[in-house]
Amino acid sequence: KQEVTQIPAALSVPEGENLVLNCSFTDSAIYNLQWFRQDPGKGLTSLLLIQSSQREQTSGRLNASLDKSSGRSTLYIAASQPGDSATYLCAGRGGSNYKLTFGKGTLLTVNP
Amino acid sequence: NAGVTQTPKFRVLKTGQSMTLLCAQDMNHEYMYWYRQDPGMGLRLIHYSVGEGTTAKGEVPDGYNVSRLKKQNFLLGLESAAPSQTSVYFCASSLDARSYEQYFGPGTRLTVT
Repeated sequence: KQEVTQIPAALSVPEGENLVLNCSFTDSAIYNLQWFRQDPGKGLTSLLLIQSSQREQTSGRLNASLDKSSGRSTLYIAASQPGDSATYLCAGRGGSNYKLTFGKGTLLTVNP
Repeated sequence: NAGVTQTPKFRVLKTGQSMTLLCAQDMNHEYMYWYRQDPGMGLRLIHYSVGEGTTAKGEVPDGYNVSRLKKQNFLLGLESAAPSQTSVYFCASSLDARSYEQYFGPGTRLTVT
């Protein structure tokens, strides 16, 4: 059974800092991994989707990497801003029904 | 293009009452999903659908039923609500099961007293 872990559970940084959020998964037979952002009381917004054949995906200040052999994905946020404050979730897709398995998220606070 | 919408946004039920949550998507997606999100538990899949007229059980299906009579709509029903079903419910859709992103609705916050 796939398990997805996100460390740390919470992270507080000053504005302008570059930061990395970590996601690890137990089953390397994933098809892809998706990173989401969730603002308080809101739904999930898809940030990046990395296919198993890819190693990186970039969107603006965000860069996500995927290493299936080590069971790890990272989300790199450059030049963080207070507006980046949110919970970031990763989810791996795999299994016979291609189910998404979610981590519990990292709560990011960027202080002005 | 509204994406994925959910109604209602909030609801309070008494134990034993029934209700239906409606999810609609305008992206012509084949696959639709219902999740629940609870503190400390993350998101868990309740039921999903691989196309109009189909439904399948997810990780936590007990106490819920679903229907997909039209491609754009996916309904989640609670026949006899229990306090353990207090949660935030999210609907999602995707073009296919494997390769494409899942897009989420804004959620329904349900409280069962």
